Amino acid sequence: AQSVAQPEDQVNVAEGNPLTVKCTYSVSGNPYLFWYVQYPNRGLQFLLKYITGDNLVKGSYGFEAEFNKSQTSFHLKKPSALVSDSALYFCAVRAAYSGAGSYQLTFGKGTKLSVIP
Amino acid sequence: KAGVTQTPRYLIKTRGQQVTLSCSPISGHRSVSWYQQTPGQGLQFLFEYFSETQRNKGNFPGRFSGRQFSNSRSEMNVSTLELGDSALYLCASSLETSGSLDTQYFGPGTRLTVL
Repeated sequence: AQSVAQPEDQVNVAEGNPLTVKCTYSVSGNPYLFWYVQYPNRGLQFLLKYITGDNLVKGSYGFEAEFNKSQTSFHLKKPSALVSDSALYFCAVRAAYSGAGSYQLTFGKGTKLSVIP
Repeated sequence: KAGVTQTPRYLIKTRGQQVTLSCSPISGHRSVSWYQQTPGQGLQFLFEYFSETQRNKGNFPGRFSGRQFSNSRSEMNVSTLELGDSALYLCASSLETSGSLDTQYFGPGTRLTVL
């Protein structure tokens, strides 16, 4: 079975400061990893994904994530936070094989990011 | 290109009724997945359809069912509604071409309230 842990329910950061939202995962074999963001009363918006290759993945709106296989982590980062980044962030994992069970995303519980002006 | 659309956006039902939710994927996308989002359980996978076939099913009771049509549009049905079915139901679509991993793109969701 695959699982995702987001150890922080909430992260507060001052505008202009760097932000990190943590994610660790568990999956059989190689992982496909994703970050999504959800604004109030909206669906999930795709930010970035890791499939293979470079451990540092760049995504939308200045976000990036670092894949660390030994620590089974995929932390989301941004060098300078904006107030408009305040939202709910979800990390998700999918197994890297074809066949039944591989087509679903397993999500973490989410981390609420608050950027303070 | 238009995104994933879901109808209706909001729905209020009473216990024991049944409900049907609809999802239109991004044009050209052949895979549609459904998720339930609640404050207590978070995001949970319901099922996934590809070319009108259910390929994957989550751990939900048989009251939850779905189908996909030849134009890739999908519906999910919940029968004999319970209070605990109140949730945001999210639909996601992806290309899922052979041998490739495609990103799932989500719709705005249908907010179901069961009274």
